[in-house]
Amino acid sequence: AQKVTQAQTEISVVEKEDVTLDCVYETRDTTYYLFWYKQPPSGELVFLIRRNSFDEQNEISGRYSWNFQKSTSSFNFTITASQVVDSAVYFCALSEPTGNQFYFGTGTSLTVIP
Amino acid sequence: GAVVSQHPSRVICKSGTSVKIECRSLDFQATTMFWYRQFPKQSLMLMATSNEGSKATYEQGVEKDKFLINHASLTLSTLTVTSAHPEDSSFYICSARWTYNEQFFGPGTRLTVL
Repeated sequence: AQKVTQAQTEISVVEKEDVTLDCVYETRDTTYYLFWYKQPPSGELVFLIRRNSFDEQNEISGRYSWNFQKSTSSFNFTITASQVVDSAVYFCALSEPTGNQFYFGTGTSLTVIP
Repeated sequence: GAVVSQHPSRVICKSGTSVKIECRSLDFQATTMFWYRQFPKQSLMLMATSNEGSKATYEQGVEKDKFLINHASLTLSTLTVTSAHPEDSSFYICSARWTYNEQFFGPGTRLTVL
């Protein structure tokens, strides 16, 4: 069965610190997709990244970086030099091959303190 | 990326009334749309999958007579919460599938039932 675990419920960091949000997933599919979304207080989900199961290359986008490790079924997200605007709830999600079903983790609430 | 809108963004209604929420894909046609529900400080839970021109598929535990879904066109799906009660108060989010394995999420509708 598919499952996404985000063990960190809440994290607080001081501005400019680096922070890593953990995501561990379970799936029996050999083909799957992993996602990260940001949900600010407004509620709207903001897409951050999609990664397919065959692409284990790490990705960097500005202050954001993602570390995909199939061996440990993890897809961790790091924010470098955090800013107050990064404060939000971050969701990791897993999609099955057909794209019909998204499995969301329980989210990590990040607070960046000025 | 593609745009999905929801209307209304916020609704307050009295217990026993019905509320309709619209989900529109603004710049693409979506044969499949999804409805999610999110309680405060919780994750998104898939309620149902809406296919254009056919009946929606509901997840286990979701009352189909309570949450009526209509996907009458390739750009519009509606969710009607019938005879709403305070426990139906939640944040409802729709998404539309654009391509294989790519979904775009709407901004959400916050429903409060008094």
